[in-house]
Amino acid sequence: QSALTQPASVSGSPGQSITISCTGTSSDVGSYNLVSWYQQHPGKAPKLMIYEGSKRPSGVSNRFSGSKSGNTASLTISGLQAEDEADYYCCSYAGSSTYVVFGGGTKLTVL
Amino acid sequence: EVQLVQSGAEVKKPGESLKISCKGSGYSFTSYWIGWVRQMPGKGLEWMGIIYPGDSDTRYSPSFQGQVTISADKSISTAYLQWSSLKASDTAMYYCVRRDSGWHWDYWGQGTLVTVSS
Repeated sequence: QSALTQPASVSGSPGQSITISCTGTSSDVGSYNLVSWYQQHPGKAPKLMIYEGSKRPSGVSNRFSGSKSGNTASLTISGLQAEDEADYYCCSYAGSSTYVVFGGGTKLTVL
Repeated sequence: EVQLVQSGAEVKKPGESLKISCKGSGYSFTSYWIGWVRQMPGKGLEWMGIIYPGDSDTRYSPSFQGQVTISADKSISTAYLQWSSLKASDTAMYYCVRRDSGWHWDYWGQGTLVTVSS
């Protein structure tokens, strides 16, 4: 069982918006603004999409956005495109004992 | 261009030792933490630990403490992940990652597939 809880799968049609949730605890997501999100296509290394909750690295489409409320972080993808179909993982700093926790991953299907 | 280039796939038997590598280039290797992430077949990402090559300060996930050793040789800009006695359950893809200023991973290696089978 992963430390952060994500839905196993989400789906949407091209052009639509979807949101992936990432639920942690007051020891990780709730205590730090240090949630990041990663996109992984089959057979490829993950790619950083969002960091520090809502910041986008250079080169990442502004269709990707992040937010947080309490112990739950969210990744929203607007204007879904076929190339967005991938696995998405959230990640959070969890203090100086555990350090880092990942979510179990969410498979996004673009219908 | 920042790059993390990992060593090639390995096939080992249970009980054998192994050391895989990750060579950084395109940036100051001693100024960024390097971490390791495990992905077992068909499963999610698991954070294993990190090292600061500048002074070899190392932190481990409680789940991996005592199971693996992380090290670095700053003279050749290379980080390592090693096992003293492999188990079949160590079969996985292992990624090295660079930690940016916060606790996120901005660059990833291509991955090293480790297969442990008798």
